Amino acid sequence: EVQLVESGGGLVQPGGSLRLSCAASGFTFSSYSMNWVRQAPGKGLEWVSYISSSSSTIYYADSVKGRFTISRDNAKNSLYLQMNSLRDEDTAVYYCARDLVFRVGYNYWGQGTLVTVSS
Amino acid sequence: DIQMTQSPSTLSASVGDRVTITCRASQSISSWLAWYQQKPGKAPKLLIYKASSLESGVPSRFSGSGSGTEFTLTISSLQPDDFATYYCQQYNSYTWTFGQGTKVEIK
Repeated sequence: EVQLVESGGGLVQPGGSLRLSCAASGFTFSSYSMNWVRQAPGKGLEWVSYISSSSSTIYYADSVKGRFTISRDNAKNSLYLQMNSLRDEDTAVYYCARDLVFRVGYNYWGQGTLVTVSS
Repeated sequence: DIQMTQSPSTLSASVGDRVTITCRASQSISSWLAWYQQKPGKAPKLLIYKASSLESGVPSRFSGSGSGTEFTLTISSLQPDDFATYYCQQYNSYTWTFGQGTKVEIK
């Protein structure tokens, strides 16, 4: 059974940093590209970042470019999101999601981890 | 950046109704469109990919169509489990954008 389990969320002050993790199991993690998607409370979905299976290709949404860094460790079956210079508007549930195939959609999602940016 | 406009924002329907949700892109995205269903407090679930391909395990009452800039998600006969929020998602030029969502409510 495919499982994606996020962790690392919490309360952080504006300007602070947080590192999210996503532990993958039930599939060959190193064969799939991965994504982070977020959802602010009561709002819609927003794609945040993409990383290819080998980490050779990375993309970011303009809203996080220069502040967030996506990475992965295929030996540990783990995906990460380093978030720096956090703003109030970064408050959201953050999901990790696995590509079905590049470009076409995400067929597995984690349960999400809540990040709250507030003083 | 490509904008995705979903309509309607809210839809009231009864069990057994045929339901259609539309997603329009601000420029052509070929067939790079997916549809998701999300229930409160849960992660989204992939229903349709590449505009019209049904994801494995998704009931056949769900179907997708369209290409270029206009796309539709159709539920042929609405079931109690289908009351949820639906999102389209497009891919273009190394970015992905979701529509604002359509909430399907019980009439």
